[in-house]
Amino acid sequence: AQSVTQPDIHITVSEGASLELRCNYSYGATPYLFWYVQSPGQGLQLLLKYFSGDTLVQGIKGFEAEFKRSQSSFNLRKPSVHWSDAAEYFCAVRPHNNNDMRFGAGTRLTVKP
Amino acid sequence: EAGVTQFPSHSVIEKGQTVTLRCDPISGHDNLYWYRRVMGKEIKFLLHFVKESKQDESGMPNNRFLAERTGGTYSTLKVQPAELEDSGVYFCASSQELLNTEAFFGQGTRLTVV
Repeated sequence: AQSVTQPDIHITVSEGASLELRCNYSYGATPYLFWYVQSPGQGLQLLLKYFSGDTLVQGIKGFEAEFKRSQSSFNLRKPSVHWSDAAEYFCAVRPHNNNDMRFGAGTRLTVKP
Repeated sequence: EAGVTQFPSHSVIEKGQTVTLRCDPISGHDNLYWYRRVMGKEIKFLLHFVKESKQDESGMPNNRFLAERTGGTYSTLKVQPAELEDSGVYFCASSQELLNTEAFFGQGTRLTVV
C-alpha cells in the first residue's frame, strides 16, 4: 500500500543546532516529493520539492532535503535552527500521473533558547 | 497577488447543524483541492476540482459532505448534518496545472463540532 511515514511526532532542538526530519515513503515508483511547513495560524507553506535531477534540493529558509532512492527517503535538513523555525513539518508525495497527494502525519518542531 | 484564502478561520457548531466552508483559490488556478486533518492524524485528500468539474472525490467521507465550485472560481464545502468526528482542520489548495507543479495551500478552517 502507498504510504508516507514521518517517524518522529515531536522533536526538540536547541537554537543553533542542526536539524534532520525524517520522511520515508512506500510507492510503486518514485513520486514527486515535497516538504511543507505550517506555522501557528498559518497555512501550509512549501519549503522545497523534488521532481527529478539533482537529489539534493535547496529550499527556502535555509532548508534542504536529499532524495535517496535506495532508502525511499526524503529527509529534511537545516544546519542551524532558528527560533522562528518552530512549526509543524509535513512530508508529502504525489505520483507523476495523478493528483493523489499523500501526507505524513507531521513532525512538530520545538526550538529551545 | 493574493494566495489561497479560506473562510471562516474557525467555526464551532453543534452536532446536527450545518456548516459551509469557503475557499477562494489563486486567480487562474484551474485545480482546486480540499484536504482534512483530524486531530493528530495525517492530512487526507477529500476531493479535486478541475474548473467546475469534480475530477476526483474519492476521499469524501460520506454523503453528509457536499462540495461545489460555482463557475470554476471559489469552492464551498458543506457538512450537513455535522457529526463530532467531522472536527478537524480543513485545508484548501490550488494549482495551475496537474503535473510538475506544487499546490498552494490556504491557512485552513478549524471546525469544531460539539
